[in-house]
Amino acid sequence: EIVLTQSPGTLSLSPGERATLSCRASQSVSSSYLAWYQQKPGQAPRLLIYGASSRATGIPDRFSGSGSGTDFTLTISRLEPEDFAVYYCQKYGSSSITFGQGTRLEIK
Amino acid sequence: QVQLVESGGGVVQPGRSLRLSCAASGFTFSSYAMHWVRQAPGKGLDWVAVISYDGSNKYYADSVKGRFTISRDNSKNTLYLQMNSLRTEDSAVYYCARESEALDIWGQGTMVTVSS
Repeated sequence: EIVLTQSPGTLSLSPGERATLSCRASQSVSSSYLAWYQQKPGQAPRLLIYGASSRATGIPDRFSGSGSGTDFTLTISRLEPEDFAVYYCQKYGSSSITFGQGTRLEIK
Repeated sequence: QVQLVESGGGVVQPGRSLRLSCAASGFTFSSYAMHWVRQAPGKGLDWVAVISYDGSNKYYADSVKGRFTISRDNSKNTLYLQMNSLRTEDSAVYYCARESEALDIWGQGTMVTVSS
């Protein structure tokens, strides 16, 4: 089973700053099947990025994804107040689906 | 609009059973694989099971294999999760989700509490 490890566990930044979140896989993951989700308290997760770098419908272009193999990154170019949340990476597209443990993005 | 609505959660004793439902609307349910994902209080996301668009293929997380059964009724636009032999560690919010490009549509979740 592929394990996804996200870092850092918590990221403290201010609005307007750039956020860089990392997701590392224990084995190579097809870029076609790496996704990122945002979750706010009391809400269901929301798909941000699929296929490692494609933005989901309605997602602002300040969110971008990149990476391949075992190292993937979610970048938020300029943080808005509504971006402070927990972010999860996910490997999908097969009979075994896994999530990373999450990165909490908090206001500094 | 495209929507998923879960129901069937509640409080149940260890060892008992519960069936969750997920009603889909606003899209052609029978064209999509569907998933269950859970989240224990204060914890991360934990994938549970997936069923193919026609119900012919089903896969489970090791933690629920042999105890949970995913199924669907495309005539009723409804996804199910039959949970047997429940354990305290199964306590969580259970979400259903549509698989298109990744899991693109999620329900609001239904809470399951396993406690004596």
